Amino acid sequence: AQSVAQPEDQVNVAEGNPLTVKCTYSVSGNPYLFWYVQYPNRGLQFLLKYITGDNLVKGSYGFEAEFNKSQTSFHLKKPSALVSDSALYFCAVKGFNDYKLSFGAGTTVTVRA
Amino acid sequence: GAVVSQHPSRVICKSGTSVKIECRSLDFQATTMFWYRQFPKKSLMLMATSNEGSKATYEQGVEKDKFLINHASLTLSTLTVTSAHPEDSSFYICSANTGSGNTIYFGEGSWLTVV
Repeated sequence: AQSVAQPEDQVNVAEGNPLTVKCTYSVSGNPYLFWYVQYPNRGLQFLLKYITGDNLVKGSYGFEAEFNKSQTSFHLKKPSALVSDSALYFCAVKGFNDYKLSFGAGTTVTVRA
Repeated sequence: GAVVSQHPSRVICKSGTSVKIECRSLDFQATTMFWYRQFPKKSLMLMATSNEGSKATYEQGVEKDKFLINHASLTLSTLTVTSAHPEDSSFYICSANTGSGNTIYFGEGSWLTVV
């Protein structure tokens, strides 16, 4: 069975400071890892994914994530957060032979001006 | 990126009636689409996997007779909530796999309120 853990319900940072949203996963075989962002009353927007290749993945809106196989982690990062980054962030995983995504519980990011 | 469209974005229906939500892939063909339910500030709960030309695969605990899914073409899947009750009120989101690159894109979601 595959699963995702987002250990923090809430992350608060000041604008301009680095932002990190944590994610660890469990899956059989090689993982396909994703980050999505959800704004209030909206669907999920794709930010980035790791399939294979470089462990550091760059995505939309200045976000990046680092795949760490030994720690089974895929933390989302942004060097300098903006107030507009305030949203709900979901990490998701699926195995190579799986067609379904498993989502973490989500992390609410609040960036204060 | 790929676009997935949902319609309607908001719908209010009376208890006991049925309501249909559409999910379309606008610029790609999707043999598989997924339907999720999301409660406020909660994660997504997968309800079913919609397969073009065949029956949907429902997750454990999801009533297939209540949540009817039809995937009649490579660009359209529909979710019909039959005999809706207030407890069915929720945010329903669909997604589709582009096939290439294994990225799954989501629709904007549909708010269902049953009164």
